[in-house]
Amino acid sequence: NAGVMQNPRHLVRRRGQEARLRCSPMKGHSHVYWYRQLPEEGLKFMVYLQKENIIDESGMPKERFSAEFPKEGPSILRIQQVVRGDSAAYFCASSRDRPANYGYTFGSGTRLTVV
Amino acid sequence: KQEVTQIPAALSVPEGENLVLNCSFTDSAIYNLQWFRQDPGKGLTSLLLIQSSQREQTSGRLNASLDKSSGRSTLYIAASQPGDSATYLCAVKDTGTASKLTFGTGTRLQVTL
Repeated sequence: NAGVMQNPRHLVRRRGQEARLRCSPMKGHSHVYWYRQLPEEGLKFMVYLQKENIIDESGMPKERFSAEFPKEGPSILRIQQVVRGDSAAYFCASSRDRPANYGYTFGSGTRLTVV
Repeated sequence: KQEVTQIPAALSVPEGENLVLNCSFTDSAIYNLQWFRQDPGKGLTSLLLIQSSQREQTSGRLNASLDKSSGRSTLYIAASQPGDSATYLCAVKDTGTASKLTFGTGTRLQVTL
């Protein structure tokens, strides 16, 4: 009974490169959420997706960031032309239903370091 | 805009003590509240989920209470152990938003031998 799987666990990118973070939700969960945790700060919501649809992207930076959750395969958070300020832990969560009556399950995160 | 505050920011207690972690939120129109544990460099582990209609939830040595009208929740840990050392996060889900959780910045707990 695998939980939410995120990979890679650690990612190092040079400034200007692209970063791709992957998230496979728990079995039976069709709702995926991405959060970012900057050093010494709390988790901040970025985007909420269902299969093939972005439902709420109110927390996403307007430029360089995009997310998708295709019909087949994991959800992808993509950061283009990374800058040092993108260094953070990125967490994915999934839920069984939209209002999350049963709560959210989080993955172990991807720690992005931009050098 | 919902804001979640956790007090204290850090806490150190000797093993065996009972302790209370506090969480307050500014908008009482919440759908549910969830307590998580985060170990250094790791992900979040869900501890307890309290729906807005509930007053408390218990799991083993953990008990979480919710007073929605006053915007407060507490996490009570009985007979603390060194393995309880971690950061404890409180997160609320508002009724007005279908998606996001609003997190507090956490309480960093250290249980000493």
